[in-house]
Amino acid sequence: SQQGEEDPQALSIQEGENATMNCSYKTSINNLQWYRQNSGRGLVHLILIRSNEREKHSGRLRVTLDTSKKSSSLLITASRAADTASYFCATAIGIVDMRFGAGTRLTVKP
Amino acid sequence: GAVVSQHPSWVICKSGTSVKIECRSLDFQATTMFWYRQFPKQSLMLMATSNEGSKATYEQGVEKDKFLINHASLTLSTLTVTSAHPEDSSFYICSITGAPKEFTEAFFGQGTRLTVV
Repeated sequence: SQQGEEDPQALSIQEGENATMNCSYKTSINNLQWYRQNSGRGLVHLILIRSNEREKHSGRLRVTLDTSKKSSSLLITASRAADTASYFCATAIGIVDMRFGAGTRLTVKP
Repeated sequence: GAVVSQHPSWVICKSGTSVKIECRSLDFQATTMFWYRQFPKQSLMLMATSNEGSKATYEQGVEKDKFLINHASLTLSTLTVTSAHPEDSSFYICSITGAPKEFTEAFFGQGTRLTVV
């Protein structure tokens, strides 16, 4: 079963703008990860944040984690048309068990 | 990271036939592989956890006799959709993790688009 919800379900912005996606989950986790999926393709890992971390950066990506609220956000700064994709959060409950959120479909218009 | 190859990338089959999907870990010995199904514009739903040398663990609601999983080696897991029906049409994706180390990121195959006509 899915672990959580993401919002918005769809987001459309202009190139150069920032995109923020949110993810909420239900149970305690070991870590939370964000993945990107281009249409009809597999998933690509973007960033992992552990349960004892609050914020993490990777290039134009910034992820926050609030375990008290069971939520995370992914910020993509200075978006590009190539960032158009679906973005999923995934939570790791056990050692190998991973559950995905519903995803946010991001469209970046040139 | 690990490279996961999934084959075929797409397949069309007739209703009632069986289809086998392969998931290969090219540079990593994967004791555990995962199979997901994804319907259009929806998230990935975990179907089963494939364990090398033992029976797969299926998620609730997933028919083990319909979705046969074989993980005979550390580099290959197969998913066979038996007696496929149009409602089985979906995008199937496999993944591996950094087992036996502590769970880190997952590496995904490119997915298989199954269309049952």
